[in-house]
Amino acid sequence: GQNIDQPTEMTATEGAIVQINCTYQTSGFNGLFWYQQHAGEAPTFLSYNVLDGLEEKGRFSSFLSRSKGYSYLLLKELQMKDSASYLCAVSLFSGGYNKLIFGAGTRLAVHP
Amino acid sequence: NAGVTQTPKFQVLKTGQSMTLQCAQDMNHEYMSWYRQDPGMGLRLIHYSVGAGITDQGEVPNGYNVSRSTTEDFPLRLLSAAPSQTSVYFCASTSPSSFGGRGNTIYFGEGSWLTVV
Repeated sequence: GQNIDQPTEMTATEGAIVQINCTYQTSGFNGLFWYQQHAGEAPTFLSYNVLDGLEEKGRFSSFLSRSKGYSYLLLKELQMKDSASYLCAVSLFSGGYNKLIFGAGTRLAVHP
Repeated sequence: NAGVTQTPKFQVLKTGQSMTLQCAQDMNHEYMSWYRQDPGMGLRLIHYSVGAGITDQGEVPNGYNVSRSTTEDFPLRLLSAAPSQTSVYFCASTSPSSFGGRGNTIYFGEGSWLTVV
C-alpha cells in the first residue's frame, strides 16, 4: 500500500526557521508536492520536486531524496501568517495515469 | 477566469438522502478528482477522472458515484447519505503536464462542507 508520514503538529517562534519532514513508501513515484492550507480554506500550492535536491522559492524551500523516500519543507523568517497546515502529497503513476495522494498534514503554530 | 467552481459550499443532509456536489472547471483540464478531508486524516482521494468518459476509484470510493460526460464537469453523487460522510469535500483539476513538469497547475475548488445528521 501507499504510506505518507509527517508529524502531526509543530510549534515555532516568529522569525525562526522550521523544517517539516515527510517520508513516503509508495510505488510509481512521479513527484512530490507541498501545499499550505489555512483553516477553512482550500490547499494552495507551495512547491514541487521530481528530482533529488533542493528547490528554493523565497522563504520556502523543499528538498527531495528519492532513494530515501524523504522530503522536507523549510520555512525561513517565520511570520504569524505561516500558521497553517502543511500537506505533503505524492504523485503516483499507476495504470497509465497519475494520482495525487496526501499525507495527513502537519499543523504549524507560529508564536510571537 | 473562474478556475474550479464547487457548489454548494454548505449542505446539511438527513441520513438516507441523496445529493450531488457539483464541480466545474473552465481551464480545459483533462484530470479532475474529488477528495474528502477529515480531521487528522488529510485529503483522501474518492474518485478521479483522466478525461471525459473515463473515471476510476481512489482510496475511499464506497458510497459515492461519479461521471464525466464533459471535460468541464465532474459531479460527485452521494446515493444514500450516512453520518460517516460528514466531511469537507474538495474538487481539483489539472493537466497531465503538471505531473513530471513544474507541478504548479493543480487547482482546488473552495470546498464543500457537508453534514449528515
